[in-house]
Amino acid sequence: EAQVTQNPRYLITVTGKKLTVTCSQNMNHEYMSWYRQDPGLGLRQIYYSMNVEVTDKGDVPEGYKVSRKEKRNFPLILESPSPNQTSLYFCASRYDYEQYFGPGTRLTVT
Amino acid sequence: QKEVEQNSGPLSVPEGAIASLNCTYSDRGSQSFFWYRQYSGKSPELIMSIYSNGDKEDGRFTAQLNKASQYVSLLIRDSQPSDSATYLCAVNPGTGNQFYFGTGTSLTVIP
Repeated sequence: EAQVTQNPRYLITVTGKKLTVTCSQNMNHEYMSWYRQDPGLGLRQIYYSMNVEVTDKGDVPEGYKVSRKEKRNFPLILESPSPNQTSLYFCASRYDYEQYFGPGTRLTVT
Repeated sequence: QKEVEQNSGPLSVPEGAIASLNCTYSDRGSQSFFWYRQYSGKSPELIMSIYSNGDKEDGRFTAQLNKASQYVSLLIRDSQPSDSATYLCAVNPGTGNQFYFGTGTSLTVIP
């Protein structure tokens, strides 16, 4: 089954404790993205990747890092999380211009 | 900032009626337009994409694009309770790999 998976699905952490949210796709797509979704603000793109070792900033990259060492994986790294990064995070994989989203990771930073 | 605006709703329609959802965008050079459906607590799911002016139909869904007026709409015919969800409009400016989403319109179909 073609899918995008994310882990963990839920995470509660404390300010400053580094964390990684993993994302994996089995569709052999070159393009992948990370988004955050906040009430009243909608989905905003954090980072995207066009292929292995090729990444670029989206609209809200501050406080986040990404890496793309393998085509199927695109982890999101928060090196020092802060409460304003509490949000619902989605990874997406893309074929042409059509995006397929993972199930989401709900992150709470206290 | 490239903006995508949607009426947040909520929009309520009776079962069997036509639901009309609208979206406007600020970047006149935008090339690709998408409608996603998002059920509560779930991830967005692509339901329509449209790239050229006019109408595009897929089953009960019709997307309409007017680049001169910078709006894109989604019509849902014969609305069903299972169509109750938030509908997100998304735009790709055509100059790269960024996508801009509206905040979504909440639709409720009343049985």
